[in-house]
Amino acid sequence: KAGVTQTPRYLIKTRGQQVTLSCSPISGHRSVSWYQQTPGQGLQFLFEYFSETQRNKGNFPGRFSGRQFSNSRSEMNVSTLELGDSALYLCASSLVGVLSTEAFFGQGTRLTVV
Amino acid sequence: QKEVEQNSGPLSVPEGAIASLNCTYSDRGSQSFFWYRQYSGKSPELIMFIYSNGDKEDGRFTAQLNKASQYVSLLIRDSQPSDSATYLCAVNVYGNNRLAFGKGNQVVVIP
Repeated sequence: KAGVTQTPRYLIKTRGQQVTLSCSPISGHRSVSWYQQTPGQGLQFLFEYFSETQRNKGNFPGRFSGRQFSNSRSEMNVSTLELGDSALYLCASSLVGVLSTEAFFGQGTRLTVV
Repeated sequence: QKEVEQNSGPLSVPEGAIASLNCTYSDRGSQSFFWYRQYSGKSPELIMFIYSNGDKEDGRFTAQLNKASQYVSLLIRDSQPSDSATYLCAVNVYGNNRLAFGKGNQVVVIP
C-alpha cells in the first residue's frame, strides 16, 4: 500500500515569489492536513481538508492557502514568500480525521527562501 | 498554557535499558493520543496511538494514558541504537480535526 507522497522534496525560492506544494494521501484517505515544522516552533498546524472542504485552519497569515481535489490530493500555496517561511512542510493523511483515526505523514517538502 | 508539553531534555540510555518519555496536555476534551518518531532530516513516523485510559503495548513500545491527570507516556523497552531519534507526542484538539504537537524529546541510545 503506497504511503503519503509529497512533491517536490526540496525547493529553493526567492523572497516575494510564490510556491505550490502537492500531497497525495494514502488511497482511501479523505482527510489531508498540512503542518509547518521549524526548529524553533516545532510542528504547527496550517489547515485540514476533508472531501474538498477546509474544516480547520491554523493561525497563519492569508498568504498560506490550500485546496483539495475530488481524488483527495491536496495542494498548498504560499504567496509572497518571506525568509521566515523556510521550513519543512509536512502533509498528513488520515481516513476521516484525527478525532478517530490515525494520521500518517509524507516525506515532507523542504522549502528554503533566500 | 501550552497545548502539549514535553519537558524532559535529551535522554541518554544504555542499549538494552528502558527509555521513558512523558507528555502532558491541556485540553480535557482530547480523545486521541499519538507518539511519532522522527529521525534527523526525516518526517515523523507514527509508532503508537492510544484512545483509552490504561496501557497499550506494541512490541517493545508501551503507551500509557491517564486522562484524569492529562498525561501520556511512552516506554521503550530493550532500547536499541536504532531507537535514537526525536519522539513527538501529539494530541487531537477537541472539536477540531487537528493535532497539537509537543516540541519532542531526543533519545540517544548508547551502545
